[in-house]
Amino acid sequence: DGGITQSPKYLFRKEGQNVTLSCEQNLNHDAMYWYRQDPGQGLRLIYYSQIVNDFQKGDIAEGYSVSREKKESFPLTVTSAQKNPTAFYLCASSWTSGSYNEQFFGPGTRLTVL
Amino acid sequence: QKEVEQNSGPLSVPEGAIASLNCTYSDRGSQSFFWYRQYSGKSPELIMFIYSNGDKEDGRFTAQLNKASQYVSLLIRDSQPSDSATYLCAVNRGREAGTASKLTFGTGTRLQVTL
Repeated sequence: DGGITQSPKYLFRKEGQNVTLSCEQNLNHDAMYWYRQDPGQGLRLIYYSQIVNDFQKGDIAEGYSVSREKKESFPLTVTSAQKNPTAFYLCASSWTSGSYNEQFFGPGTRLTVL
Repeated sequence: QKEVEQNSGPLSVPEGAIASLNCTYSDRGSQSFFWYRQYSGKSPELIMFIYSNGDKEDGRFTAQLNKASQYVSLLIRDSQPSDSATYLCAVNRGREAGTASKLTFGTGTRLQVTL
């Protein structure tokens, strides 16, 4: 069954703690992306990666870090430097070789800072 | 001016009617445009994409693009209660072939299909 998985589905964190969100895909897509969504808002790009061992900052990268050691995995760490981390985090993946490279999303992780 | 603008709604249509969802964008060089459907508490699901001026039809859905007016729309024919969701418009600001797509999303339009 091809798809994108994210874990955990819900995550609670105390202020000052770092947490890592998992994203795995078995679609053989080259590119992977992380977005956050706040209530009533659109998706905002945090980081993206076009190839293994390479990634670029998106529009709101401050307070986040990523790695891309394997093609199928793109974990996101939310650090204590992120001032307002409570949000719905979405991972996506796409081809890079096509003309339009449409993105497909995982089920998301809902992070709440207590 | 926001890069991608959508009316937040809610847009209320009766069952069986046509729902028309609109989106405008500011970057005239944008090449491709996407519509996603998002049910409450769930992740976005790709419905359609369009890249040429004119209409593109897929079942009950029709995407329309007018690059001169920087306007994209999604029509849903024979609207069903299961179509009730938030519809997100996304614009690809990426320019280079062989690279990741760089999507900018609107805030979405909430559609309610009433019985």
